Amino acid sequence: NAGVTQTPKFQVLKTGQSMTLQCAQDMNHEYMSWYRQDPGMGLRLIHYSVGAGITDQGEVPNGYNVSRSTTEDFPLRLLSAAPSQTSVYFCASSYQAASGSGANVLTFGAGSRLTVL
Amino acid sequence: GENVEQHPSTLSVQEGDSAVIKCTYSDSASNYFPWYKQELGKRPQLIIDIRSNVGEKKDQRIAVTLNKTAKHFSLHITETQPEDSAVYFCAAISGFQKLVFGTGTRLLVSP
Repeated sequence: NAGVTQTPKFQVLKTGQSMTLQCAQDMNHEYMSWYRQDPGMGLRLIHYSVGAGITDQGEVPNGYNVSRSTTEDFPLRLLSAAPSQTSVYFCASSYQAASGSGANVLTFGAGSRLTVL
Repeated sequence: GENVEQHPSTLSVQEGDSAVIKCTYSDSASNYFPWYKQELGKRPQLIIDIRSNVGEKKDQRIAVTLNKTAKHFSLHITETQPEDSAVYFCAAISGFQKLVFGTGTRLLVSP
């Protein structure tokens, strides 16, 4: 049971390049999400998914695309990288903590550090 | 949408002292409030959570209190140890599965 696996761990891009951050979970969690972490700004939600075929925007979705073709995978695509997208990206998955409560417990991946020059 | 404010941004204590981190939230419909701990270079990990039908929850040296009327919740760490040094994040759930985080508190416990 690997939990949430993110690749790559580190990536350097030039402005304008595109790339995909991969995220996979083997816990059969319905819910998956992507956060970015910047100094002094905490964790900000980029996109999330409540199940295969369903995605929605978070707080900071501009410049990113996601898709959820399977329960296991939730890739994050940077269409045209900008220096403002330099950050640490965390993928997370979650389950319904208790029936009817609407609560979730997030399991995070190890993070992907992206630098855009 | 939900907005979560967290204070202080940094907190320094001596080993054995207590530490308190406070958060306020804006959406009165929020019903789940977790706390995550992130050690340097590591991923955030859940340490304790509380739901809106409970006022206080304890787990050994850590406790969380919730005041729904005032829309604030706090993390209490007693008998702090150097290994408690980390960044702590509070969060609140807004809408369907949208967990909104505070900006974090860097806790430093000095021996």
